[in-house]
Amino acid sequence: DAKTTQPNSMESNEEEPVHLPCNHSTISGTDYIHWYRQLPSQGPEYVIHGLTSNVNNRMASLAIAEDRKSSTLILHRATLRDAAVYYCILRDANAGGTSYGKLTFGQGTILTVHP
Amino acid sequence: EAQVTQNPRYLITVTGKKLTVTCSQNMNHEYMSWYRQDPGLGLRQIYYSMNVEVTDKGDVPEGYKVSRKEKRNFPLILESPSPNQTSLYFCASSDREATEAFFGQGTRLTVV
Repeated sequence: DAKTTQPNSMESNEEEPVHLPCNHSTISGTDYIHWYRQLPSQGPEYVIHGLTSNVNNRMASLAIAEDRKSSTLILHRATLRDAAVYYCILRDANAGGTSYGKLTFGQGTILTVHP
Repeated sequence: EAQVTQNPRYLITVTGKKLTVTCSQNMNHEYMSWYRQDPGLGLRQIYYSMNVEVTDKGDVPEGYKVSRKEKRNFPLILESPSPNQTSLYFCASSDREATEAFFGQGTRLTVV
């Protein structure tokens, strides 16, 4: 499985933008880049995903490098409710068998948001 | 509201006493799975199911059983719990395309 590397922790101030990086230098052509986050005492929550082009949704934006070896999750205005562990995950669109639908979580980035 | 519901949220039990953690989803998803989360080890997949009556082992299946008799339900069974199964458990579901997974709120299990 292609692996991802994220910083252990990051800090931000409320209402400022946050850029969460993820390196995935061994990504394959069929790997989608997914981001999930886990708020304290809750289950993981889907944030966004993309393949090659930058993506935007109501929660965040995903910027994908041209060579796809890295990506950045962008929270445009951090709030205290965004304090969570953020996971960058690669999922093979062609995965079958035991890999189908499976999410392989790393350690993620702990985001602290200061008031 | 789309949701995955797990019960119970908290459970303390004794070694060897069989227990079942229930999981139900209301999105008609084909794919369901169970994860456990432990400090320093992250989330690891226990079992998964691609549809009714189709289940298979994940990365850490030892000591667990599952069943998928109905599309909406995917219970996790511990026939003889041991202290090393003390953990935080999450159930998840997604559609056939697996683009977005929905997770339950978690079940914190303590085996003494």
